[in-house]
Amino acid sequence: EPEVTQTPSHQVTQMGQEVILRCVPISNHLYFYWYRQILGQKVEFLVSFYNNEISEKSEIFDDQFSVERPDGSNFTLKIRSTKLEDSAMYFCASSEAGRGYTYNEQFFGPGTRLTVL
Amino acid sequence: TQLLEQSPQFLSIQEGENLTVYCNSSSVFSSLQWYRQEPGEGPVLLVTVVTGGEVKKLKRLTFQFGDARKDSSLHITAAQPGDTGLYLCAGASDYKLSFGAGTTVTVRA
Repeated sequence: EPEVTQTPSHQVTQMGQEVILRCVPISNHLYFYWYRQILGQKVEFLVSFYNNEISEKSEIFDDQFSVERPDGSNFTLKIRSTKLEDSAMYFCASSEAGRGYTYNEQFFGPGTRLTVL
Repeated sequence: TQLLEQSPQFLSIQEGENLTVYCNSSSVFSSLQWYRQEPGEGPVLLVTVVTGGEVKKLKRLTFQFGDARKDSSLHITAAQPGDTGLYLCAGASDYKLSFGAGTTVTVRA
């Protein structure tokens, strides 16, 4: 069964360093997302991406964050200068359809645990 | 901000009992998705409900979408220890999902 994959599973970095989190969405999906979950809290939406541009972003997704689809299979989230409060699980998701479609079933990857020291 | 409230926050029952988890919002969603999440893993999609009043069954799990498409419930019949986990509801709107905080279900053998 097709699934979303994410690498690395765990990333430890020093405050102020740049990190890139990688995702391979399900191959026939067109919409890609990043969410984060701080320990013990809700899953929070960060950004959605379609047709090589951001469709929607939350207030969390500030200038320190960027997303890119560098090739036909990968989808990345970059945090330019990490802060302690960026420590969280980051989940990538993908869906076949998006806005305007009644079904917007999003399938999630296993996550990357980011620890900022 | 679209808020989804899930209740109860925690639920502990004996194997064989039934349970219901609720998901309520003041917002209307185009669809509502239920996920199950294990510790340290990503949410796994269980079902999507789309039409107001819709009822979907997945083995011993029954999902219902409210008539106004603002609320939903998950009912588990004859719960088993394997049903233990965190159940999340998420409302779909535009390009994103808004998640509830989840209900942690523990089924004791």
